[in-house]
This record gives sequence, structure tokens and C-alpha cells, in this order.
Amino acid sequence: NAGVTQTPKFQVLKTGQSMTLQCAQDMNHNSMYWYRQDPGMGLRLIYYSASEGTTDKGEVPNGYNVSRLNKREFSLRLESAAPSQTSVYFCASRVTGRNQPQHFGDGTRLSIL
Amino acid sequence: AQTVTQSQPEMSVQEAETVTLSCTYDTSENNYYLFWYKQPPSRQMILVIRQEAYKQQNATENRFSVNFQKAAKSFSLKISDSQLGDTAMYFCAVANAGGTSYGKLTFGQGTILTVHP
Repeated sequence: NAGVTQTPKFQVLKTGQSMTLQCAQDMNHNSMYWYRQDPGMGLRLIYYSASEGTTDKGEVPNGYNVSRLNKREFSLRLESAAPSQTSVYFCASRVTGRNQPQHFGDGTRLSIL
Repeated sequence: AQTVTQSQPEMSVQEAETVTLSCTYDTSENNYYLFWYKQPPSRQMILVIRQEAYKQQNATENRFSVNFQKAAKSFSLKISDSQLGDTAMYFCAVANAGGTSYGKLTFGQGTILTVHP
């Protein structure tokens, strides 16, 4: 069972470069999310997509854009990477309904030099 | 805005013993739900247990149980018969149940739990 798949798993960028992180889920979930995890902090929501065709900002959206390509795929783009965006990025998905948990991918470790 | 506080950055326990991880939260919503996620060194985020705020009964999943005190906004996790595989970072999280919340999670800072043989 694939679940939520993130690519790549690791990436090193130079300041100013652009990058798209890919996320796909095969569980027919409506909602998808992007989080970042920094040392000593919990996960923080960057953007989310409640359903296909909609996206909205989370807690820390600055410097990022997203695309909900279809029901399965939700990508996160860094247009001009900055060292402050060095982090581990997690994608998650969730079926609509009360008390339904989010299912997470394995994360992408992104370093920006 | 919601906040979640985990006041114990690190905890340790001997194998087979019991340990409790603390979590307090703040939300203006009356209807919400709470989760504990586990993140082992592999970095995966694994759901441990969940609780709906309207339910009085504390959730239990095998060796894992919670003590949910709604008035105090407290949601602690008890791990019984600790095993080496329980070594991980544990995150407490809250999500509003309202129609426009879309299940967005607010996480605490995490507690690193080490189980010693």
C-alpha cells in the first residue's frame, strides 16, 4: 500500500533556485496538506487543499505556492529558495469526515545553502 | 487561533514500565478532536490515538491510553508496558471539527521519549 508518496526524499538547493516538491496519494482522499518541520518545533501548516480545485493558506505560507493538480496530487513550489526554508517537508491527506486523521508521507529533507 | 503545548522536551522510561506524556491546548471551539502522533527515527508520522472532545470516555488503543480533561484543556498520553520500539518523538495535535476547518492540525513542539532496556 503506497499511501502518501513524496518525491524527492532529499534535496540540496542554492539560494535563489526554484524547486517543486511532489506529493501523491492513492487513498481517494479529498483533503491534502503541506507542513514543514523545523528542529525543536512541531509541524506547521504551509498550505492545504480542502478538495480538488481549492487551495488555501495555512500558518506559514510566505515564500511558497501550491497546485492541486487533480484529486491525487498536490505540489509545493519554492520560487526563490532561501536558507530559512531549510526544513523537512511533510505532505498529508485526509478523507472528509469527523475525527478522521491525516495520513502522512515520509517527508522531504530540503537544505538550502 | 489554537495552540498546543507539550512541556516535556524529553522523557525516558525503562522497558516494561509506564510513562505519561503531557499536553495542554487552547481553542475557542467547543467541538474539536485531539490526536497523538508518533515519529520514530525513520521520520514517519504514525497515528497513535485520537479523541473527540464531546466524548467523555478516554480513548484506548492497546498499550496506549489518554487522560482527557476537557475543562482543564489537558490531553495526556499514557504508555503502559513500554517497549524499545516506542522510542520516538511524540506530538500532540488538535483540529477543529467545524465545517470550514477541513481537519487542519495544530501541533505541539513534541516530546522525545527514550525507552531504555
